[in-house]
Amino acid sequence: SQTIHQWPATLVQPVGSPLSLECTVEGTSNPNLYWYRQAAGRGLQLLFYSVGIGQISSEVPQNLSASRPQDRQFILSSKKLLLSDSGFYLCAWGQARSNQPQHFGDGTRLSIL
Amino acid sequence: SQQGEEDPQALSIQEGENATMNCSYKTSINNLQWYRQNSGRGLVHLILIRSNEREKHSGRLRVTLDTSKKSSSLLITASRAADTASYFCADNQGGKLIFGQGTELSVKP
Repeated sequence: SQTIHQWPATLVQPVGSPLSLECTVEGTSNPNLYWYRQAAGRGLQLLFYSVGIGQISSEVPQNLSASRPQDRQFILSSKKLLLSDSGFYLCAWGQARSNQPQHFGDGTRLSIL
Repeated sequence: SQQGEEDPQALSIQEGENATMNCSYKTSINNLQWYRQNSGRGLVHLILIRSNEREKHSGRLRVTLDTSKKSSSLLITASRAADTASYFCADNQGGKLIFGQGTELSVKP
């Protein structure tokens, strides 16, 4: 069966520090991969999605970047965090070329101090 | 931009009662999906309804879709305390999900 792992679960970082969040998927190949951000009490905002290795689409201009170095690995990064980067970050995968449901990791709670 | 908008934003009911949540969307859809999120956790897919379907059931869940009104509803029957969570609708646009703001459901034992 397919599983998705996301870590760390929580992270507290000072303003201006770098960021690296990792997401890996097991049990499937060539998945579509997604990074979402969720503000408190709000819906999810799609940040990045990837349909293959090295292929990244950005949905909103921001201080973050994403990379997909391997088929089932998706990384969210920042060189210098801002206070506004605080939030709940969720990784998800979906089957390629389909409109089927997405499957989510348990998220990373990022607090910027 | 956000596509679906849920109504109400928050709902509090007693165990055993039914809970109805509504979702409206703005553009044409391929399918509409409902997800559940427990506090501090990731989202879990509940049910998907295609644009050519009007109603779908899964256990205690019933979803309806009215494409003429661009709206969908999620009914949870005989609610349980364990149903307490946030519920989101999402429009699937070419593999990208556009989420509404969600309905926070509280079921009191």
